[in-house]
Amino acid sequence: DAKTTQPPSMDCAEGRAANLPCNHSTISGNEYVYWYRQIHSQGPQYIIHGLKNNETNEMASLIITEDRKSSTLILPHATLRDTAVYYCIVRVHNTDKLIFGTGTRLQVFP
Amino acid sequence: EPEVTQTPSHQVTQMGQEVILRCVPISNHLYFYWYRQILGQKVEFLVSFYNNEISEKSEIFDDQFSVERPDGSNFTLKIRSTKLEDSAMYFCASSSRGGQPQHFGDGTRLSIL
Repeated sequence: DAKTTQPPSMDCAEGRAANLPCNHSTISGNEYVYWYRQIHSQGPQYIIHGLKNNETNEMASLIITEDRKSSTLILPHATLRDTAVYYCIVRVHNTDKLIFGTGTRLQVFP
Repeated sequence: EPEVTQTPSHQVTQMGQEVILRCVPISNHLYFYWYRQILGQKVEFLVSFYNNEISEKSEIFDDQFSVERPDGSNFTLKIRSTKLEDSAMYFCASSSRGGQPQHFGDGTRLSIL
């Protein structure tokens, strides 16, 4: 399984962009990168996913490096409600099993 | 926005008793999943289910666990003889098809006494 490495915690000021990095140096060519977050006591919430190209939706942007060994989730204008644990997950090809790590705990402060 | 709903939000059960956790996936979704999260630990995959069959399961999902889609809307997880170590948050998820994003419910907190 492709493993991911994320910093355990990050801080971000409200209104600023939050840039959450993820390393996945052993990713295979057909494996997708998914981002989820978990706000305290709630279920994981899907944010965005991508294969090679950068992706953007109403929640965030996903920047994947050309060699695909790392990616960055960008929350363009963080709010206090974005305080959560953010998980970067590489979904193994031919399986729907999501393997969660320990993620990055993002604290957005006023 | 459609969502996955889980009931009950909290279940307290005596050790050795059977428990059924219920989920209503998003209505047009065809793939269903259960995960669990022991307090303070990672979210762990238990099982995936498609076309009335288990498509994949983890080593956690042993003979005491079973899943069922008893009608067109519900998806259930049964634990036959609960143990103290089954205490956890249990999350149901669904996706429109394989490989598509999984959408999670807010979980059932299972407490085994």
